[in-house]
Amino acid sequence: ETGVTQSPTHLIKTRGQQVTLRCSSQSGHNTVSWYQQALGQGPQFIFQYYREEENGRGNFPPRFSGLQFPNYSSELNVNALELDDSALYLCASSWDRVHEQYFGPGTRLTVT
Amino acid sequence: AQSVAQPEDQVNVAEGNPLTVKCTYSVSGNPYLFWYVQYPNRGLQFLLKYITGDNLVKGSYGFEAEFNKSQTSFHLKKPSALVSDSALYFCAVRDRRGYQKVTFGTGTKLQVIP
Repeated sequence: ETGVTQSPTHLIKTRGQQVTLRCSSQSGHNTVSWYQQALGQGPQFIFQYYREEENGRGNFPPRFSGLQFPNYSSELNVNALELDDSALYLCASSWDRVHEQYFGPGTRLTVT
Repeated sequence: AQSVAQPEDQVNVAEGNPLTVKCTYSVSGNPYLFWYVQYPNRGLQFLLKYITGDNLVKGSYGFEAEFNKSQTSFHLKKPSALVSDSALYFCAVRDRRGYQKVTFGTGTKLQVIP
């Protein structure tokens, strides 16, 4: 059974640029959630995708957007990057919208 | 709005002693509750969950947690701490009525001293 994978591991971008982060969910999981974890903080919920549709969103602006594909993998897109977007971005998958989540190792984004 | 409080930034315990990591929560309805552990430069790993039923929940690596509805608490416990338990622990809550959003606490660093 393959766990949740994320790419890339690290990324450095300049303010104003756009970035795409990728996530492959664990086998059999149809739900993917994305989180932002700033240094020294707990993960903050960005949004969740269930069967290719956005199923809920946290307090993040529209420049944070996503997709889920038929194989349940997912992308997180962030436009017009700001310095405060520097964080660890975590993807988590689960069997459905309710049960425990299994996290990937994260993508460390640095915005300069 | 739902929230989670982990009142201790760090907990120090001697190896072999029992440990407790505290968590209190606030949700509008009934909660789903979770504990996760994070090792340095790693993603979060699921430890245990409370969905319904028995208030004492057993999880991975000998950890357990007790759901207390009247005190809105879900403290993580282990009878005998190991040095390898040293890590960052997060409590999380989801309202049963809202499938989507999981709210995490700010984390408690557990340091087990040999």
